[in-house]
Amino acid sequence: KAGVTQTPRYLIKTRGQQVTLSCSPISGHRSVSWYQQTPGQGLQFLFEYFSETQRNKGNFPGRFSGRQFSNSRSEMNVSTLELGDSALYLCASSLNLENTEAFFGQGTRLTVV
Amino acid sequence: AQKVTQAQTEISVVEKEDVTLDCVYETRDTTYYLFWYKQPPSGELVFLIRRNSFDEQNEISGRYSWNFQKSTSSFNFTITASQVVDSAVYFCALSEFNTGKLIFGQGTTLQVKP
Repeated sequence: KAGVTQTPRYLIKTRGQQVTLSCSPISGHRSVSWYQQTPGQGLQFLFEYFSETQRNKGNFPGRFSGRQFSNSRSEMNVSTLELGDSALYLCASSLNLENTEAFFGQGTRLTVV
Repeated sequence: AQKVTQAQTEISVVEKEDVTLDCVYETRDTTYYLFWYKQPPSGELVFLIRRNSFDEQNEISGRYSWNFQKSTSSFNFTITASQVVDSAVYFCALSEFNTGKLIFGQGTTLQVKP
């Protein structure tokens, strides 16, 4: 069974640009969550999607957005990139919303210069 | 507000030593879930265990064991006879009922020396 796939694995962008990250969950999983990991702030929740609907949102500015498609694949977008957006972005998939274990991808390492 | 505290930032042990990673949580929910994840250098978080708030039974899985005590709001993780492959960052996390949102502690970096 394939795991959670995140693309691309590494990305370098310039301040002010925008970026789109992709996450393909485990087959059959309907819930996808996104997390930002930085050395200073640790792992912070960004959003949670279930059946194409955003069910939960973390405390991040509106520059961070996401969506989920009918096949459960998810994308997150960050517009007007800032240096502080440099981080490892992790996607997690779960079977459903009922607190089942989340399986994480290897993440996308975003560097903003 | 919900919070998870892992007071130990870094732990270094010699192979075959036992080591306990501490986790203390805060929540006002009566139903909640607790997790432990391992993050090796590759970056992905590897699921280790899930516990719900109504199940205080300790659990053992091979060299790993977990001690959940609601009275002290703690969910500690012990590795018995540690191995070099156990070297990683370990995260404790809390989630509210019926949501996938995880609140993570700051993580404990475990280094196991040969």
